[in-house]
Amino acid sequence: QVQLVQSGAEVKKPGASVKVSCKASGYTFTSYGISWVRQAPGQGLEWMGWISAYNGNTNYAQKLQGRVTMTTDTSTSTAYMELRSLRSDDTAVYYCARDQEGIDYWGQGTLVTVSS
Amino acid sequence: DIQMTQSPSAMSASVGDRVTITCRASQGISNYLAWFQQKPGKVPKRLIYAASSLQSGVPSRFSGSGSGTEFTLTISSLQPEDFATYYCLQHNSYPRTFGQGTKLEIK
Repeated sequence: QVQLVQSGAEVKKPGASVKVSCKASGYTFTSYGISWVRQAPGQGLEWMGWISAYNGNTNYAQKLQGRVTMTTDTSTSTAYMELRSLRSDDTAVYYCARDQEGIDYWGQGTLVTVSS
Repeated sequence: DIQMTQSPSAMSASVGDRVTITCRASQGISNYLAWFQQKPGKVPKRLIYAASSLQSGVPSRFSGSGSGTEFTLTISSLQPEDFATYYCLQHNSYPRTFGQGTKLEIK
């Protein structure tokens, strides 16, 4: 069965960086892309960007351009999302999701708290 | 960017009611639309894909319709477990965009 297992919760100070991992299993990793979606406390879902696990091509949300980098490691079927220059409004649950012509399976979410 | 306008943002209804939630796209997206259900503290769950196809395992009281710019999610007879927040998502183009969400509460 398809599974996306994310890394654990993080607490970071403003200005720091965070890197969240998402390990995929149960399907051919390179046949799908991965989207990253975040959800601030009490808020809706915000799409952050997408990466092709086949060739590493990316599409990022304009508001995060320059602060976010998405990568994959095909040898371990793992996707990564790094967000830099963290601010308090980056506090959110971060999800990875399988996305090839639409999102279907989701990771369990990773809480990132940005606080001084 | 394609904007997704979802309505209503919140509503209350009773068990057994028929409920309809609407998403309007700022430009045509064919049928590249999905609906998700999210309960508090839980991961979103896909209910409908390709605008009207029911995800495997999802009860048949859920249905989706529409194409182009107007889409609806209908719950034919609300059950207690359906009280949640619902989101639409367009995947016609990048950036992907979600609707603002509809919080469905018990009346």
